[in-house]
Amino acid sequence: ETGVTQTPRHLVMGMTNKKSLKCEQHLGHNAMYWYKQSAKKPLELMFVYNFKEQTENNSVPSRFSPECPNSSHLFLHLHTLQPEDSALYLCASSQQAGGGTGELFFGEGSRLTVL
Amino acid sequence: KNQVEQSPQSLIILEGKNCTLQCNYTVSPFSNLRWYKQDTGRGPVSLTIMTFSENTKSNGRYTATLDADTKQSSLHITASQLSDSASYICVVRVLSGGYNKLIFGAGTRLAVHP
Repeated sequence: ETGVTQTPRHLVMGMTNKKSLKCEQHLGHNAMYWYKQSAKKPLELMFVYNFKEQTENNSVPSRFSPECPNSSHLFLHLHTLQPEDSALYLCASSQQAGGGTGELFFGEGSRLTVL
Repeated sequence: KNQVEQSPQSLIILEGKNCTLQCNYTVSPFSNLRWYKQDTGRGPVSLTIMTFSENTKSNGRYTATLDADTKQSSLHITASQLSDSASYICVVRVLSGGYNKLIFGAGTRLAVHP
């Protein structure tokens, strides 16, 4: 148990569907992140929230919409996705964005398949 | 451009053997370097962190080295076990405008066979 929980673990959706990924951290951290992991490629940072405020949007297409209602919860809303968006989506948290030692605590990931 | 290159991309070894994974980076200014282990179907977990002044650090059968002059790090696994089968990701932290950023390598996928 890393203290970061992601649901669902697996998701299959059509290109016209709307779905959401959920992340919850029980570590008392103030920063939360969404990363995309594709095969044989480095993790790609998508969004960063620090104290509930979005501090980074790494040129992510608008079909991905994040939401951070509080420091413990993070959502990624998905709509009209493309097959190339199929990947493992990892949520992570840290004490605060850009500070401390930079250690990230990751969830187990949500495996997304877009048909 | 800040980059982290890992080699080999994949590696197969027999149980009980040793292996060394490499991480080369072109990152400046350097803050620290961390190795993560990612089991299949799980999220990455930190193994060890190296700061500029540290040359070597051990965590059980894992030993990380850092040569800040050549900008190279290695992760040595001793007496490998089946549970060492995983991806190992090198992450370098760079100071960017007073805000630290993380640069990820693509990882080395290690398979330990009986």
